[in-house]
Amino acid sequence: GENVEQHPSTLSVQEGDSAVIKCTYSDSASNYFPWYKQELGKGPQLIIDIRSNVGEKKDQRIAVTLNKTAKHFSLHITETQPEDSAVYFCAARSGYKLSFGAGTTVTVRA
Amino acid sequence: NAGVTQTPKFQVLKTGQSMTLQCAQDMNHNSMYWYRQDPGMGLRLIYYSASEGTTDKGEVPNGYNVSRLNKREFSLRLESAAPSQTSVYFCASSEAVGEQYFGPGTRLTVT
Repeated sequence: GENVEQHPSTLSVQEGDSAVIKCTYSDSASNYFPWYKQELGKGPQLIIDIRSNVGEKKDQRIAVTLNKTAKHFSLHITETQPEDSAVYFCAARSGYKLSFGAGTTVTVRA
Repeated sequence: NAGVTQTPKFQVLKTGQSMTLQCAQDMNHNSMYWYRQDPGMGLRLIYYSASEGTTDKGEVPNGYNVSRLNKREFSLRLESAAPSQTSVYFCASSEAVGEQYFGPGTRLTVT
């Protein structure tokens, strides 16, 4: 089955700086790569996604890049703000199944 | 439009007890999923239902059963709870293989 690895497990950044989270996947059949943000006590919420026929996607301060050859994808958050503090999960989908990374706890220091 | 709802929010069970976690969605989605979330392990798929009338095992199905009651509802049953099933359980739904929407979770402790 699919195996998704996510790094780093924790990330502390100064407000206004950028944050980068990286993921690798193993199943070359995976074709959809979403990123979820989870705030304390809540369910994960989709923040951005990318499909296998696209190399990069941006939405305001958030961007995702995908390298299918190397089987890795990354989340970039620019101009971080205190409300960006949360746990972020990457995932890779093959068929109906989403496989998740272990998560990155991001803390934005004021 | 409530999205995905789960009941109960919290539950404490003794080893060997049984219970059913309920999930409902009002987005007319075909597919529904049950995950468990444990510290440092992300979310792991327990069971999923691609469409009404079908269910399939995910990554960690042992100790669980599911029922797709109708298009809206998908329940998860623990027949004989074990401490290893202490976790946070999330239900999700999607339109076929599209974006998955998650519920708020059920925090289960088995003593």
